[in-house]
Amino acid sequence: DTGVSQDPRHKITKRGQNVTFRCDPISEHNRLYWYRQTLGQGPEFLTYFQNEAQLEKSRLLSDRFSAERPKGSFSTLEIQRTEQGDSAMYLCASSSRAGLAGRGDTQYFGPGTRLTVL
Amino acid sequence: RKEVEQDPGPFNVPEGATVAFNCTYSNSASQSFFWYRQDCRKEPKLLMSVYSSGNEDGRFTAQLNRASQYISLLIRDSKLSDSATYLCVVNTEEVGRSGGYQKVTFGTGTKLQVIP
Repeated sequence: DTGVSQDPRHKITKRGQNVTFRCDPISEHNRLYWYRQTLGQGPEFLTYFQNEAQLEKSRLLSDRFSAERPKGSFSTLEIQRTEQGDSAMYLCASSSRAGLAGRGDTQYFGPGTRLTVL
Repeated sequence: RKEVEQDPGPFNVPEGATVAFNCTYSNSASQSFFWYRQDCRKEPKLLMSVYSSGNEDGRFTAQLNRASQYISLLIRDSKLSDSATYLCVVNTEEVGRSGGYQKVTFGTGTKLQVIP
């Protein structure tokens, strides 16, 4: 399977614990995005990497959240001191820059990590 | 006003019906637009890109109206397998703290249920 993969698929944790999720993008994609999705809502942007550089981070992201992409390949998203409000599906997507001006890059999503904070 | 707005539905339609979804966006500088499909508890999957000329793929037609800042998705001859949530996505080139980047904004999605 050459698509985007995420691990784990499900995570149940107790409030106050730290959790880390991993995303492996499509190998030739240089752009990587993290999103959070709650029931009945569309995916909400969290952060974006181009190669290993984290170019943008949502203002909604508290300092308990940190993401890395150390070698420009896989990425990790860590949530420290989890809260019940962090319960959501965390989606990773990757893309490569489209060659045509004005045309956005198409994002391909991984299956997500469903986090439940008790 | 939300950056990307969609009617959440649900749209309940009989098999064979034609159904249309609209999506409005607030940033006139937005450049590219997509429709994604999301099945229950699954990840979003690209359905169609929408460019200035619009495009058609089988039973699906996507249109872009830049003047009114909306895009539409038309599904003809609905099938039971079309039941899903349809997400509108708008991309805008912006300048962030570290330079230019592509801001991707999703709508909340429109739920479609095709009934036998």
